[in-house]
Amino acid sequence: EVQLVESGGGLVQPGGSLRLSCAASGLTFSSDAMSWVRQAPGKGLEWVSGISGSGASTYYADSVKGRFTISRDNSKNTLYLQMKGLGAEDTAVYYCASLVGGQGYFDYWGQGTLVTVSS
Amino acid sequence: DIQMTQSPSSLSASVGDRVTITCRASRSILTYLSWYQQKPGKAPKLLIYAVSTLQSGVPSRFSGSGSGTDFTLTISSLQPEDFATYYCQQSYSPPRVFTFGGGTKVEIK
Repeated sequence: EVQLVESGGGLVQPGGSLRLSCAASGLTFSSDAMSWVRQAPGKGLEWVSGISGSGASTYYADSVKGRFTISRDNSKNTLYLQMKGLGAEDTAVYYCASLVGGQGYFDYWGQGTLVTVSS
Repeated sequence: DIQMTQSPSSLSASVGDRVTITCRASRSILTYLSWYQQKPGKAPKLLIYAVSTLQSGVPSRFSGSGSGTDFTLTISSLQPEDFATYYCQQSYSPPRVFTFGGGTKVEIK
């Protein structure tokens, strides 16, 4: 059974930083591209960032480029999202999801972790 | 960037109804279109990929069609567990950058 478990969310002040983690099990982690997708309260889904299975290639939405860094540790089956310069617009539930590369769809999702940016 | 527009944004329907949700891309995305279902407080769940391929375990009352810029998700006979929000998602362009539609909330009439 595939499991993706996010952690690291919480309350952070504007301009602050936070690192999210996503622990994966039940899949061949090092072979799977992964992504972070977020959902602001009461809003729709927004793709945030993606990374190849090896970690060599990374991709970002324009809204987070230069502020967020995606990475992975395949020895620990863990995906990360380092977030800096946080603003109120980054308040959201952050999901990690595994990506099926060819067609580009997300087949497994974690339960999400809430990030709240507020003073 | 490609924009994805879903319609309607919400609808009310009864159990047993046939429901159709539309997703329009701002330019052709060939067949790089997926659909997700999300229930309140839960993660999205993949329903359909490549326009019309049902993910394993998804009931056959769900179907998808379309190509190019216009796509539909159809629920042939709405069941109580189908009341949720549905999202389309494109993966055609730019490479490795993904766009979701705004969502369609299916509510009980």
